[in-house]
Amino acid sequence: DGGITQSPKYLFRKEGQNVTLSCEQNLNHDAMYWYRQDPGQGLRLIYYSQIVNDFQKGDIAEGYSVSREKKESFPLTVTSAQKNPTAFYLCASSGGADTQYFGPGTRLTVL
Amino acid sequence: GQQVMQIPQYQHVQEGEDFTTYCNSSTTLSNIQWYKQRPGGHPVFLIQLVKSGEVKKQKRLTFQFGEAKKNSSLHITATQTTDVGTYFCAALPGTYKYIFGTGTRLKVLA
Repeated sequence: DGGITQSPKYLFRKEGQNVTLSCEQNLNHDAMYWYRQDPGQGLRLIYYSQIVNDFQKGDIAEGYSVSREKKESFPLTVTSAQKNPTAFYLCASSGGADTQYFGPGTRLTVL
Repeated sequence: GQQVMQIPQYQHVQEGEDFTTYCNSSTTLSNIQWYKQRPGGHPVFLIQLVKSGEVKKQKRLTFQFGEAKKNSSLHITATQTTDVGTYFCAALPGTYKYIFGTGTRLKVLA
């Protein structure tokens, strides 16, 4: 069953903690993306990666970090430096200038 | 940075009425895509437009790409309750990095 998965679906974090959101795809796509969506808002690009071992900052990268050690995986770490991390986080992949396939998302809440 | 503006932000229609959302960019785009996000869900790809002046149809949905490749529209004929959701355009000014519009949230009243 091909697709893109994210875990966990819901995540609660205490202030000052780092948390890592998982994103895995088995679509053999080179490009992967992380977006943040706030209630009633559009999608804002955090980081993207065109190829393994390479990634670029998006529009709102501050307070976040990523790695791309494997083609299938693109985890996102929300660090304590992110001042307002409560949001819906969406991971996507694409085979170039093509359709983006989105995962089901992770809802992060800071307690 | 580059922005893609989408209007209107919200639209409430009676079931059976038509609906249109518009997407505008200040710069020329390589292509434009449209996505639908149901409440509580994730964006799902609808279509991609590449050519200047291109028009594509999917049942009751009509997608248009402007002649100058700076704007696009999505028109839904005779809306149904299943059309409820937020419609996003996504512009690709170059390669790989997509810029999403602010979205239009559609509510259909039965």
